[in-house]
Amino acid sequence: EAQVTQNPRYLITVTGKKLTVTCSQNMNHEYMSWYRQDPGLGLRQIYYSMNVEVTDKGDVPEGYKVSRKEKRNFPLILESPSPNQTSLYFCASRPGVNTEAFFGQGTRLTVV
Amino acid sequence: AQSVTQPDIHITVSEGASLELRCNYSYGATPYLFWYVQSPGQGLQLLLKYFSGDTLVQGIKGFEAEFKRSQSSFNLRKPSVHWSDAAEYFCAVGARNYDKLIFGTGTRLQVFP
Repeated sequence: EAQVTQNPRYLITVTGKKLTVTCSQNMNHEYMSWYRQDPGLGLRQIYYSMNVEVTDKGDVPEGYKVSRKEKRNFPLILESPSPNQTSLYFCASRPGVNTEAFFGQGTRLTVV
Repeated sequence: AQSVTQPDIHITVSEGASLELRCNYSYGATPYLFWYVQSPGQGLQLLLKYFSGDTLVQGIKGFEAEFKRSQSSFNLRKPSVHWSDAAEYFCAVGARNYDKLIFGTGTRLQVFP
């Protein structure tokens, strides 16, 4: 089944403890993105990648890192999480530049 | 800069009633337009999209949307709502060769039996 898989689905962590949220897609898509969803703000893009080893900042990149070492994987790294990064995170992929995005199931992160 | 407005935060309808969710966008040219649905605890599922051509587009689950350039709108409609349609609906815009989608703030749909 074609899908975008995120792990974990739920995570509670403490301020400052490094964490990684994984994202994997099995559709051989070129483009991958990370979004965060906050009440009243919709979804905002954090980082995106157009291909292996090619990444760029989105609208809200502060406090996040990404890497794209393989085409299928696009992990989101929080080096030192803070409570304002408590949010619902979505990974998305799409095959090309002018195509629709496919979203993962989401990761609900709570930083205390 | 692009922006998307969904004026209705919360809509309640009775099962079997018709539905229209509003979406207005701001963009200098014709954008790519999308409607996504998020069911509780689920990811976002694409309902329909507009890239070009016929301005009335059909989607999954009986939804349709109409692109109106003069009004900068892309409203989502369904003639008869089912209880399973209760969810949050997001309108999104992408520019040509887009790197990111711009999302509206969402409309939560509640359906009463």
